[in-house]
Amino acid sequence: AQSVTQPDIHITVSEGASLELRCNYSYGATPYLFWYVQSPGQGLQLLLKYFSGDTLVQGIKGFEAEFKRSQSSFNLRKPSVHWSDAAEYFCAVAGSLDKLIFGTGTRLQVFP
Amino acid sequence: DTAVSQTPKYLVTQMGNDKSIKCEQNLGHDTMYWYKQDSKKFLKIMFSYNNKELIINETVPNRFSPKSPDKAHLNLHINSLELGDSAVYFCASSQQQGASGGNEQFFGPGTRLTVL
Repeated sequence: AQSVTQPDIHITVSEGASLELRCNYSYGATPYLFWYVQSPGQGLQLLLKYFSGDTLVQGIKGFEAEFKRSQSSFNLRKPSVHWSDAAEYFCAVAGSLDKLIFGTGTRLQVFP
Repeated sequence: DTAVSQTPKYLVTQMGNDKSIKCEQNLGHDTMYWYKQDSKKFLKIMFSYNNKELIINETVPNRFSPKSPDKAHLNLHINSLELGDSAVYFCASSQQQGASGGNEQFFGPGTRLTVL
């Protein structure tokens, strides 16, 4: 069965520090992978997506993610976190009929 | 212009009532979705419609009935509301529905439903 695991429920970093949010997926075929961000009280905004090709994907707001098939991972990174990055981050895989299967989310807290 | 809009933003109601949530997208997309986000922030798909035709019905109780009058609108009607229906409901749309996935979905701001 298709699934997404985000092992870290809550991460706290200092502003300016680097960030890596982990995502592991389970999917039989070539996965279509997404990272979404949800700010408090807001909807979901797409940060980046991987469909095929280059395994390092660049997104908005300075985020990037690397697809590693051998590890079934799609970790999200940012070299220097800003206070405005504090939010909930969701990794998702697209199953059949474009059904998005989400991980449980990682809450990012940023300290000044 | 808002791409995917939902009304209302907040909905507070009593158990047993019937309520509707409306969704509209102005992106010209063919496919629309409803997702439910529970109190632990877990997001799960409920329904999808492609050109007004129901495609995905993800074992949702039949108290929930989606309706798509045209491809720009997808409404969600809930009968006999229960406490467990309290959640945030998100509408989304994508350009077209593919068999193998991969179309970016654009989400609305969500409707927070509270059942007392």
